[in-house]
Amino acid sequence: DTEVTQTPKHLVMGMTNKKSLKCEQHMGHRAMYWYKQKAKKPPELMFVYSYEKLSINESVPSRFSPECPNSSLLNLHLHALQPEDSALYLCASSQDGQGYNEQFFGPGTRLTVL
Amino acid sequence: QQPVQSPQAVILREGEDAVINCSSSKALYSVHWYRQKHGEAPVFLMILLKGGEQKGHDKISASFNGKKQQSSLYLTASQLSYSGTYFCGTGGVRNSGGSNYKLTFGKGTLLTVNP
Repeated sequence: DTEVTQTPKHLVMGMTNKKSLKCEQHMGHRAMYWYKQKAKKPPELMFVYSYEKLSINESVPSRFSPECPNSSLLNLHLHALQPEDSALYLCASSQDGQGYNEQFFGPGTRLTVL
Repeated sequence: QQPVQSPQAVILREGEDAVINCSSSKALYSVHWYRQKHGEAPVFLMILLKGGEQKGHDKISASFNGKKQQSSLYLTASQLSYSGTYFCGTGGVRNSGGSNYKLTFGKGTLLTVNP
C-alpha cells in the first residue's frame, strides 16, 4: 500500500466552528507532514512530525493544532479559522525526516472558511 | 529561502523536449522534483543529492550542480500525460540523525503538452 489517504475531501466551515482533518498512511513511514496550498501556489510547509513527535512548526497560528496519535495517523484540528485560511491542505509522509527520502502526498482536503 | 524556477510556463507539442530549471541562493543538500496535475496531489519524480546520488523514475532525468546550487529536469519525447505543474523543492544542510529536514518549494512551472 503506497497511498496516503485524507478525509474529508471537502470541508466548509464557519469561523466559529471546530473541525478536524485526518490523514492516514500504512507504509510504515515515520515522518508525516502538513502543507497548505493556495490556488496556483506551491505547497507551504506547516508542520512536521517525526517518530510521532512534532519536529517542525513553521510559525503556524494556534488556530491550527496538529496531533499525531500514532505512527500511521496525523490530524489537524481547526478552530476559529479565518476566510484567508481557505486552501487545499495536503498531508504527506516519508520514510523518515531525512532529505534523501521522497514524500508521498495525499489527495488533500479542500477547506472553505465562510 | 524559496528556490527560483524557470520558465514559469512552457507549451510543447507531443514528442518535443523541455528543460525546467531550479536555482537557489543557499547551499543545498538535496533537490526534489514533483509534478502536480490540476486537482490532484503532487507526485514524486526525482531526488538529487549533493553527493551525486539520485533516485526516481527511470523515464525522468535530471542534473544537480551543487556548486552552483542549480538543478535541471529534462523531459524528453514529451507525452500528453506529462502536462502539469512541476515543482522543485530544495533543502539545505542535512541534519544527520535529526528530523528537521525542511523542503521549500519553488513557484512551479506549468507544462502543457498538446497533441
